Amino acid sequence: AQTVTQSQPEMSVQEAETVTLSCTYDTSESDYYLFWYKQPPSRQMILVIRQEAYKQQNATENRFSVNFQKAAKSFSLKISDSQLGDAAMYFCAYIGGGGGGDDKIIFGKGTRLHILP
Amino acid sequence: EPEVTQTPSHQVTQMGQEVILRCVPISNHLYFYWYRQILGQKVEFLVSFYNNEISEKSEIFDDQFSVERPDGSNFTLKIRSTKLEDSAMYFCASTLGQGVTQHFGDGTRLSIL
Repeated sequence: AQTVTQSQPEMSVQEAETVTLSCTYDTSESDYYLFWYKQPPSRQMILVIRQEAYKQQNATENRFSVNFQKAAKSFSLKISDSQLGDAAMYFCAYIGGGGGGDDKIIFGKGTRLHILP
Repeated sequence: EPEVTQTPSHQVTQMGQEVILRCVPISNHLYFYWYRQILGQKVEFLVSFYNNEISEKSEIFDDQFSVERPDGSNFTLKIRSTKLEDSAMYFCASTLGQGVTQHFGDGTRLSIL
């Protein structure tokens, strides 16, 4: 069975600094998708970034980028120029089976990110 | 941008009562999901639904749970006889198909008293 592990329950970063959230996963599949979701105190689930396993290039969305290491099964999220609005719970997530429509998302336990002014 | 809509945002129910959580997926999407998040814990898959039938369900989705798409637009989750441990945030999600990101609604907070 696939698993997603986030080993950092909480992290803090100074405003305007850079922070990296770690995630590892386990799967026997070769085709899959990885995601980072942000959950602010309002508890919405907001997609931050996604990565297709077949792509070697790391995904980037403005201040957010990932370091995808397929062989190591590692998928970390880097947030540059941290802003107060980035404070939230961040979930690493996985969909296998080529991302087929009936595939479920498997979430990690989350990392709570605090931004220090 | 189209959104997944969930109602109500907060539902308070007495233990043992039935509750129906409602979702309106994005209109051209074909696959629908319910997830649950107990406070302070990770998000867990409950059920996926495609072509008017359940595709997959988790161990959590026991006989007290059911889903249906009664009118081609709404997608509902029914809990027949609620328990205290059903208190959680319930998220609906939908997607167009393979390789496409699942879009989440804002969730329904269910509180069982």
